[in-house]
Amino acid sequence: RKEVEQDPGPFNVPEGATVAFNCTYSNSASQSFFWYRQDCRKEPKLLMSVYSSGNEDGRFTAQLNRASQYISLLIRDSKLSDSATYLCVVALKSSYDKVIFGPGTSLSVIP
Amino acid sequence: DTGVSQDPRHKITKRGQNVTFRCDPISEHNRLYWYRQTLGQGPEFLTYFQNEAQLEKSRLLSDRFSAERPKGSFSTLEIQRTEQGDSAMYLCASSSYAGGPETQYFGPGTRLLVL
Repeated sequence: RKEVEQDPGPFNVPEGATVAFNCTYSNSASQSFFWYRQDCRKEPKLLMSVYSSGNEDGRFTAQLNRASQYISLLIRDSKLSDSATYLCVVALKSSYDKVIFGPGTSLSVIP
Repeated sequence: DTGVSQDPRHKITKRGQNVTFRCDPISEHNRLYWYRQTLGQGPEFLTYFQNEAQLEKSRLLSDRFSAERPKGSFSTLEIQRTEQGDSAMYLCASSSYAGGPETQYFGPGTRLLVL
């Protein structure tokens, strides 16, 4: 089993749709969780950290379920500019001492 | 531009040759990371430095790979006797670590093609 798994994608959704990405991790000692965004042929950029209580940033909501070892990202009212690959990232300690990126899920928002 | 820079952006080499990549992190960032990314996959951790100390190396980093950060600023990643399987994007990231989770800032990457 891979250490971090994500929905295989790609997701093709119309503008304005709500889309959810799922991520599971295998190591219960994982402590830090993030979502990164990577545009085509560009470097990854941090989208948001994921906190135990869940957190929201505008149209983006991240949730963490430690018992199920599951992380989610919800995008509401999707925009064309949201088209990218979304990477789930898990770190073993409360730092980046061992960082594992998931394979990513590709999103295309269609006019 | 005060972001992370990498040089070269693209490198084509023949199998068996040595290549060296450079990463200049954001000024005063104490941590520097190297990753490798292949098409359709997320970045794979290779190694990282805190200041000039190399704190961890992935088992992916064979003895053909070596990384240095001699003065705690820029870093180099060298691949000796390149193989076709080394073809990938090599990403560098830096962060300011102060004991808790920190944001990594990635450079644009060096795309390596081994013929």
